[in-house]
Amino acid sequence: GESVGLHLPTLSVQEGDNSIINCAYSNSASDYFIWYKQESGKGPQFIIDIRSNMDKRQGQRVTVLLNKTVKHLSLQIAATQPGDSAVYFCAENGGFQKLVFGTGTRLLVSP
Amino acid sequence: DTGVSQNPRHKITKRGQNVTFRCDPISEHNRLYWYRQTLGQGPEFLTYFQNEAQLEKSRLLSDRFSAERPKGSFSTLEIQRTEQGDSAMYLCASSLGTVGEKLFFGSGTQLSVL
Repeated sequence: GESVGLHLPTLSVQEGDNSIINCAYSNSASDYFIWYKQESGKGPQFIIDIRSNMDKRQGQRVTVLLNKTVKHLSLQIAATQPGDSAVYFCAENGGFQKLVFGTGTRLLVSP
Repeated sequence: DTGVSQNPRHKITKRGQNVTFRCDPISEHNRLYWYRQTLGQGPEFLTYFQNEAQLEKSRLLSDRFSAERPKGSFSTLEIQRTEQGDSAMYLCASSLGTVGEKLFFGSGTQLSVL
């Protein structure tokens, strides 16, 4: 079946460090993956996405890596800032953009 | 503000009452989605519309739930005879409908059933 999970529920980093948030998925047929950031009391905010024909995609301070062999997805945030503190979700496309979300990882950035 | 708008932001109701939420998507987006999110969990898909047609419903959407998008613009989600287990954040999202196009989410309606 389709499931998306995250390895760590909470990640604590110092300001300026690089953060890596990991995600495992189980549906090898998934062709699209996406990372969202969710702050308290707000809806998920798009960060970056990647299609299955790519291994890596870079945005502003963020990079997503996709390893289809082990069905693993990661989000790297460079020079983490206090404003990056939030819950991060990975999601996979369950068809017609019916996204299947994982539980989430809370990122805590201390000054 | 040209993002996805949801109203109300918060709703407190008593068990057994009916509630209705509204979602206004981004104007040019033809797909509209409803998700439900409980504390500490990721959003769960409920249903989606392509213009005014409701194309898929999750098994999470019991007979007490109904969603409409009458003119292909705004959408409403109604819950009849609310139960305490319905307490959650109800999120609306919209997209252009292009394959791989990202979903834009609203801030949600937080429902508390007492």
